[in-house]
Amino acid sequence: EADIYQTPRYLVIGTGKKITLECSQTMGHDKMYWYQQDPGMELHLIHYSYGVNSTEKGDLSSESTVSRIRTEHFPLTLESARPSHTSQYLCASRISGVSEKLFFGSGTQLSVL
Amino acid sequence: SQKIEQNSEALNIQEGKTATLTCNYTNYSPAYLQWYRQDPGRGPVFLLLIRENEKEKRKERLKVTFDTTLKQSLFHITASQPADSATYLCALLSYSGGGADGLTFGKGTHLIIQP
Repeated sequence: EADIYQTPRYLVIGTGKKITLECSQTMGHDKMYWYQQDPGMELHLIHYSYGVNSTEKGDLSSESTVSRIRTEHFPLTLESARPSHTSQYLCASRISGVSEKLFFGSGTQLSVL
Repeated sequence: SQKIEQNSEALNIQEGKTATLTCNYTNYSPAYLQWYRQDPGRGPVFLLLIRENEKEKRKERLKVTFDTTLKQSLFHITASQPADSATYLCALLSYSGGGADGLTFGKGTHLIIQP
């Protein structure tokens, strides 16, 4: 059972609001990731981190930002939500080692009205 | 351009039969390939990993093959059960690029096991 938690599970919010999606893992993993997934589509990497104070943008351009102040915590923030941000956001982590598997959280389904 | 293709249509299989899912790729030189299961509204769960120098991997009722000449991986579920119904994703690691650590996901195949 994966020990990686995302909150909230569902979020409906109005345009222009600032939101933070939380992601925490208790496995001590150095590497953490944020993926965005639309229905029937592939996961797209939007941010990743290889450790504290390390953050990088992924393949898919995103207006969101992330921070990694503690190993276990990797929150994602949208300063001003728009309807185009409506999607499922998945957080994942893994230990170092190039072939290691990813552990995913249950995701946050975001709807921006 | 690099591409991963999985059956876009849902796959319907009778309970007890073997389900076979396909992952084809182009313009990759993958070092390894992973398979994940994803249930509706949930995050993917890791199932199996196979390396470029391995032909086949097994885990209980699951079997994965990897043919780097055909650029294809097959994922088999034997003695399938309705509880196996889910979307199955393949993911490639390629040192030539793509994502952090070079891990890229396919869209997945939706598998339905009919009782």
